[in-house]
Amino acid sequence: EADIYQTPRYLVIGTGKKITLECSQTMGHDKMYWYQQDPGMELHLIHYSYGVNSTEKGDLSSESTVSRIRTEHFPLTLESARPSHTSQYLCASSELNGGVETQYFGPGTRLLVL
Amino acid sequence: KNQVEQSPQSLIILEGKNCTLQCNYTVSPFSNLRWYKQDTGRGPVSLTIMTFSENTKSNGRYTATLDADTKQSSLHITASQLSDSASYICVVSRGLTGGGNKLTFGTGTQLKVEL
Repeated sequence: EADIYQTPRYLVIGTGKKITLECSQTMGHDKMYWYQQDPGMELHLIHYSYGVNSTEKGDLSSESTVSRIRTEHFPLTLESARPSHTSQYLCASSELNGGVETQYFGPGTRLLVL
Repeated sequence: KNQVEQSPQSLIILEGKNCTLQCNYTVSPFSNLRWYKQDTGRGPVSLTIMTFSENTKSNGRYTATLDADTKQSSLHITASQLSDSASYICVVSRGLTGGGNKLTFGTGTQLKVEL
């Protein structure tokens, strides 16, 4: 079991609200990721970070923003939630071992925007 | 185009039976292939990983195979249990010029094991 945590696990919120999804890991990993996953669909990378003060956009365009002030935290923020943001958001961190990168996923946050 | 396709999309089997899930990919240059198990409402958990030179890898009742020539992989589950009910995701990693890797995820096979 990986030491990566996400809160909240479930969030139901109204349109226009600002929300922050928390992600933290205690493994000291430099690389962290945010994925968006709709039901029955593949994971899409929306943000990633190589370390403190590093943030990059992923493959899927997202209106969310991220920050990486500390190694262990990688929060994702939506300034104004919309129903189209309804999805599952998965955070991951990774380590490199023998040239192979392994990603460890958090339990996810299921977001419903009404 | 770098893609990962999985079949079947969903599968229902009886407890105790075996099953095989398929993954075809067009990702290049290939770095490694990983099978994940994702329980409903949870994050994916890695089951096996295979690099180019490996053609089989086992993890308990899970056995993955890789044919790098045909770009196909399979995940065989032996003596299925109710707890095997989950989505099984094939993920292929490709190397990037200048270093690093990029992951391409399949849409998964939804497996349900029934009594």
